[in-house]
Amino acid sequence: AQSVTQLDSHVSVSEGTPVLLRCNYSSSYSPSLFWYVQHPNKGLQLLLKYTSAATLVKGINGFEAEFKKSETSFHLTKPSAHMSDAAEYFCVVSASYSSASKIIFGSGTRLSIRP
Amino acid sequence: SQTIHQWPATLVQPVGSPLSLECTVEGTSNPNLYWYRQAAGRGLQLLFYSVGIGQISSEVPQNLSASRPQDRQFILSSKKLLLSDSGFYLCAWSVGLGTGRSAQHFGDGTRLSIL
Repeated sequence: AQSVTQLDSHVSVSEGTPVLLRCNYSSSYSPSLFWYVQHPNKGLQLLLKYTSAATLVKGINGFEAEFKKSETSFHLTKPSAHMSDAAEYFCVVSASYSSASKIIFGSGTRLSIRP
Repeated sequence: SQTIHQWPATLVQPVGSPLSLECTVEGTSNPNLYWYRQAAGRGLQLLFYSVGIGQISSEVPQNLSASRPQDRQFILSSKKLLLSDSGFYLCAWSVGLGTGRSAQHFGDGTRLSIL
């Protein structure tokens, strides 16, 4: 069985300060992990993905995430927040090579940026 | 480059009416195709996915159905809509073997309101 937990439903940071969005996962197999971003009334856009290569994954728009197997975490970070980063972020885990039904989306974290 | 189109962007339908949402992908061949529903303030629920023409896997028993009449066309349908069918419907595609491990690319969604 597998699951994903986004530990914060809402995170608020000031512009120019670091961003940390937390994600813990559970998987019986070696997982693939993804972060997506969703702006209001838009589809999801892939930020980055981990598929058993380097544990530190760099994505678009200055985001990165580190896969920590011992902590079963895949937290998303950015050194300096920008107003345009305000959006909903989804952590996704998949442990099946062949079945889309094993893709699990987290419930999302809404990121707000204070001027 | 690959693009995905969903239409309509918004739709208001009465209870009991039929539904047809269309999604097409350009710039790639034999994509994996997905339909998701996103309820207000919640994560994504996988409804259907397809790995080829005429091949549909259903994840949630309900009054919705999906069809893939052409390689890059995915249609979501209902004969009679329920109030609970309201939501934001997202189409997505991926390529490569293993629908579970491929990054997905999303359309801009259809916001469906049932009255």
